[in-house]
Amino acid sequence: EDQVTQSPEALRLQEGESSSLNCSYTVSGLRGLFWYRQDPGKGPEFLFTLYSAGEEKEKERLKATLTKKESFLHITAPKPEDSATYLCAVQEGNTGKLIFGQGTTLQVKP
Amino acid sequence: DSGVTQTPKHLITATGQRVTLRCSPRSGDLSVYWYQQSLDQGLQFLIQYYNGEERAKGNILERFSAQQFPDLHSELNLSSLELGDSALYFCASSKREILDTQYFGPGTRLTVL
Repeated sequence: EDQVTQSPEALRLQEGESSSLNCSYTVSGLRGLFWYRQDPGKGPEFLFTLYSAGEEKEKERLKATLTKKESFLHITAPKPEDSATYLCAVQEGNTGKLIFGQGTTLQVKP
Repeated sequence: DSGVTQTPKHLITATGQRVTLRCSPRSGDLSVYWYQQSLDQGLQFLIQYYNGEERAKGNILERFSAQQFPDLHSELNLSSLELGDSALYFCASSKREILDTQYFGPGTRLTVL
């Protein structure tokens, strides 16, 4: 069964303390891996799309990487405004269906 | 602002009732998706439409139905509502049918009492 697992479930960091979030997946044919940020009660906000192993994307303090079995979201010198839930999703097969992980809730303390 | 709009923002109704959620995709997007987010299940794919045609179905209940109209807006109909249907319902849109980024709307919070 296709599955996406994110770890840790929750992460508390001090401002400036870098860390990584993990997304591991088991799908029959990966078409793309997506990272979203979600604030409480809001819709997911698109961050990155990765299509092939070895690919990397960067945006401000965030960097996403992809291997054949997992993806990492690296957060460098986070700020309190980076506090949110980060969602990983994979797209497989010939439809647009996204399979989401349960998310990692990040709290950055000043 | 993703450019995807959803109405209403909040909906409170009783068990057994029927409601309609509406979504307008971003300008130029042909594909519309519906997702349900509950505390215990996370974000779950319900259904996808592309240019008016149904393209993919997830674990959508028979009590739920959707359609995409010629102007590309979409509606999700939920009937015979149960307490367990209380959740956030998100619409997303993309230009292509597959291999494309999906942009999410702000959601409709449904509360069934």
